[in-house]
Amino acid sequence: EVQLVQSGAEVKKPGESLKISCKGSGYNFAAYWIAWLRQMPGKGPEYMGIIYPGDSDTRYSPSFQGQVTMSADKSISTAYLQWSSLKTSDTAIYYCARHLTISGAWFFDFWGRGTPVTVSS
Amino acid sequence: EIVLTQSPGTLSLSPGERATLSCRASQSVSSGYSAWYQQKPGQAPRLLIYGTSTRATGIPDRFSGSGSGTDFTLNISRLEPEDFAVYYCQQYGSSRYTFGQGTKLEIK
Repeated sequence: EVQLVQSGAEVKKPGESLKISCKGSGYNFAAYWIAWLRQMPGKGPEYMGIIYPGDSDTRYSPSFQGQVTMSADKSISTAYLQWSSLKTSDTAIYYCARHLTISGAWFFDFWGRGTPVTVSS
Repeated sequence: EIVLTQSPGTLSLSPGERATLSCRASQSVSSGYSAWYQQKPGQAPRLLIYGTSTRATGIPDRFSGSGSGTDFTLNISRLEPEDFAVYYCQQYGSSRYTFGQGTKLEIK
């Protein structure tokens, strides 16, 4: 069974750093792209970018380029999303999701449960 | 960036009725990049439809997707109590994925 298990909720202050994780199981983690998506209350998901754990090839959405860093350690089937200096506007739920391509269709087939991040002074 | 506009914002229907949810893109997109997700409170989105019309594994056949160009539709033929949730459409273009703002399907 494919599973993406994300790290727990975080409460941080503005300016602090943070690294959250997403551990895959039930499939060859290194062979599938993993995306990160942000969801703010009452809004649809926002695509932040995608990483290929096999070689750590990373593509950022222009909206998030320079704001976050994605990384992966294929030896432990884990992807990461990190901030060097959080802002209150980073408060949201962050999801990791497996990206799949089938017959020209591109989509996200399995999602983690999300990591709520609260940034408040 | 492709902007997706979903309508209606809220849809009030009764179990057994048919639901039609719309998603309009600001520019023409490939049908291969169109997908639909269901999200219930406190849960992650769940894939329903990909490639415009293909149901994901385990999705009941009362869910169907259609469309092309800039207009895409999700139909639910006979609503079950568990279908009341928020639905999001997704597209890909200009090196990024975008999602609509969602349609909330509520019990009338």
